[in-house]
Amino acid sequence: AQTVTQSQPEMSVQEAETVTLSCTYDTSENNYYLFWYKQPPSRQMILVIRQEAYKQQNATENRFSVNFQKAAKSFSLKISDSQLGDTAMYFCAFMKHENSNYQLIWGAGTKLIIKP
Amino acid sequence: DAGVTQSPTHLIKTRGQQVTLRCSPKSGHDTVSWYQQALGQGPQFIFQYYEEEERQRGNFPDRFSGHQFPNYSSELNVNALLLGDSALYLCASSLGLGGEQYFGPGTRLTVT
Repeated sequence: AQTVTQSQPEMSVQEAETVTLSCTYDTSENNYYLFWYKQPPSRQMILVIRQEAYKQQNATENRFSVNFQKAAKSFSLKISDSQLGDTAMYFCAFMKHENSNYQLIWGAGTKLIIKP
Repeated sequence: DAGVTQSPTHLIKTRGQQVTLRCSPKSGHDTVSWYQQALGQGPQFIFQYYEEEERQRGNFPDRFSGHQFPNYSSELNVNALLLGDSALYLCASSLGLGGEQYFGPGTRLTVT
C-alpha cells in the first residue's frame, strides 16, 4: 500500500522568505503522479503543483517549485518570496496511474504560517 | 464557468440518522470522487464514480454509498451516522478517471 508522510506539522516564516515543505512517500509503483495541494481557511482544496514520476525535470509554477527525488521517494515543495496569502494547510498527495486505480492518497498536512 | 459545487455547506445530524450530500462537477467533467477529511487530518478517499458506476472504493463501510446521475452530478449517502462520521466531506471532479481533480468547498457534517 502507498503511504505519504509529511514530517512537519507546522512551519512559520517571515513574509518574503523562502520555505521548503517536506514530503516522502512509499510505493512499489513506477508510474505515478505527485501533487501539492493548498487548503486555506476557506477549506477549498487548490492544486499548487503536480509532478509526473517519469519526468526527471522538477515542476515549477511561478514562486512554487518542487525537488523530486524518485530514488529517495522524496517530493519537497519550495515557496519563494512567500506572501501572506500563502498561509494555509499544505498537503502532499500521491496517485498511481495504472490499472484504473486513480485515488489520491494524502499526507497529514503541514500548517504554513507567513508572518508579516 | 462554474467550478465544483457542493451542498449543503454545513449540516448537523444526530447519531443513527441518515444524510445525503450533493456535488455538481465542474463543467465538462464526467468523474466525481468523494473524500472524508477529519479535523486536523488529510483527506481519505471514499469512492469514485464514472459513467454512473462506482469504479473504486476506499476503506469505508457499506454505510457509505453513492450515486452518479446522467448529468454527472453525484450524491454521497451515509446511513446510521456515528459520532466519528463528523468531518469535512470533499467532492472532486475530473475529466476521466485519471484526470486532474478539482475540488469543491466541502460540506461540514457534524454528528451529535
